[in-house]
Amino acid sequence: EVQLVESGGGLVQPGGSLRLSCSASGFTFSSYWMSWVRQAPGKGLEWVANMKQSGSETYYVDSVKGRFTISRDNAQNSLYLQMTSLTDLDTAIYYCARGSAHCHSGDCFQTGVDYWGQGTLVSVSS
Amino acid sequence: SYDLTQPSSMSVSPGQTARITCSGYALPHRYVYWYQQKPGQAPVLVIYKDTERPSGIPERFSASSSGATVTLTIGGVQAEDEADYYCQSTDIFGTLVFGGGTKLTVL
Repeated sequence: EVQLVESGGGLVQPGGSLRLSCSASGFTFSSYWMSWVRQAPGKGLEWVANMKQSGSETYYVDSVKGRFTISRDNAQNSLYLQMTSLTDLDTAIYYCARGSAHCHSGDCFQTGVDYWGQGTLVSVSS
Repeated sequence: SYDLTQPSSMSVSPGQTARITCSGYALPHRYVYWYQQKPGQAPVLVIYKDTERPSGIPERFSASSSGATVTLTIGGVQAEDEADYYCQSTDIFGTLVFGGGTKLTVL
């Protein structure tokens, strides 16, 4: 059974930093793109960042570029999101998500999400 | 990035068919995914790669496309289908985009 368990959320002051973790089990972690997706209170889903299986490629939504860093440890089956310079606009539930990919000519790129964690709440407030 | 447009809400009676649309100029060239999210829960995948249904998802969930619009169809809606539904596709290589979501109310 695929399981994704996020941790590390909490209350942080504006300008502060936080590191989210996602522990994966039930599948070969190193074979999948992984993503972070967030949802502000009462709002829709917003993709934040993703990372290729090897870690060689990463992508970010414009609003977090230069502030957030996605990383992974395939040996530990873990995904991370380092968040800095946080503002109230970053307040949201952050979901860890396994990528669904399309492969062509030996290369695979993420096209969606097939499994989601339960999320961890990040609140940015003074 | 580009936008995916969904109706913000719709309502149907039990047993009727719900059709939720999602529009975006690049959709004819990109895979589309659909997710169901109930209050207080994480999203669940209901349709992937345009028309494929994951195991465990009822057959009443299906999807189709026409030009730049894709449609999630829920046939014979049940009370348990009341939820928010999101479409999702990709922008440039590796970048995911979500629609704004449609709140489906079962009357």
